[in-house]
Amino acid sequence: EDKVVQSPLSLVVHEGDTVTLNCSYEVTNFRSLLWYKQEKKAPTFLFMLTSSGIEKKSGRLSSILDKKELFSILNITATQTGDSAVYLCAVTSGTYKYIFGTGTRLKVLA
Amino acid sequence: GAVVSQHPSRVICKSGTSVKIECRSLDFQATTMFWYRQFPKQSLMLMATSNEGSKATYEQGVEKDKFLINHASLTLSTLTVTSAHPEDSSFYICSARDMLAGGFYNEQFFGPGTRLTVL
Repeated sequence: EDKVVQSPLSLVVHEGDTVTLNCSYEVTNFRSLLWYKQEKKAPTFLFMLTSSGIEKKSGRLSSILDKKELFSILNITATQTGDSAVYLCAVTSGTYKYIFGTGTRLKVLA
Repeated sequence: GAVVSQHPSRVICKSGTSVKIECRSLDFQATTMFWYRQFPKQSLMLMATSNEGSKATYEQGVEKDKFLINHASLTLSTLTVTSAHPEDSSFYICSARDMLAGGFYNEQFFGPGTRLTVL
């Protein structure tokens, strides 16, 4: 059975800290891994990763995929209170369906 | 990026009534739409995949007769929760992707979600 596991489940940090969120997966016929940020409502897209070892970066956020070890990390540097959210990892495998992980709930304290 | 809307954003209904939720892609044609359900502090669970002009594909454990999906046009999919009960209360989110743009490697765009409360 395909599955996506995220860790930690929740995290509390102070502004300015750097955090690393993890996503590991076991899927057949892997196609891509995606990271989303979910605040009150629907998830907003952050990154899509398809190739190993190529870092994607957007401002203070960056992500990288390791297809050999079957995991991805999402880094957030110099965290701000506005980064508080649930971060979701999803994997597509063989079809267009997303398999979502449980999410990591990040809270950044001022 | 592409915009997906959902309507209504919030609905409260009595047990036994049916509720229809609309999902629209506003600036692209969505050949495929997805319906998710999210319980508090849990992740998104895929309920069904909706393909324009054909029957929806439901995930295991999702009752087809209870959650009716119609994808009659390239910009609109609807989810009808029939004879709703309190246990159907949840956050329902749709997403859409344009298979004509980028093949496999384009992301899904999510609607803002609909919070359903069944009394």
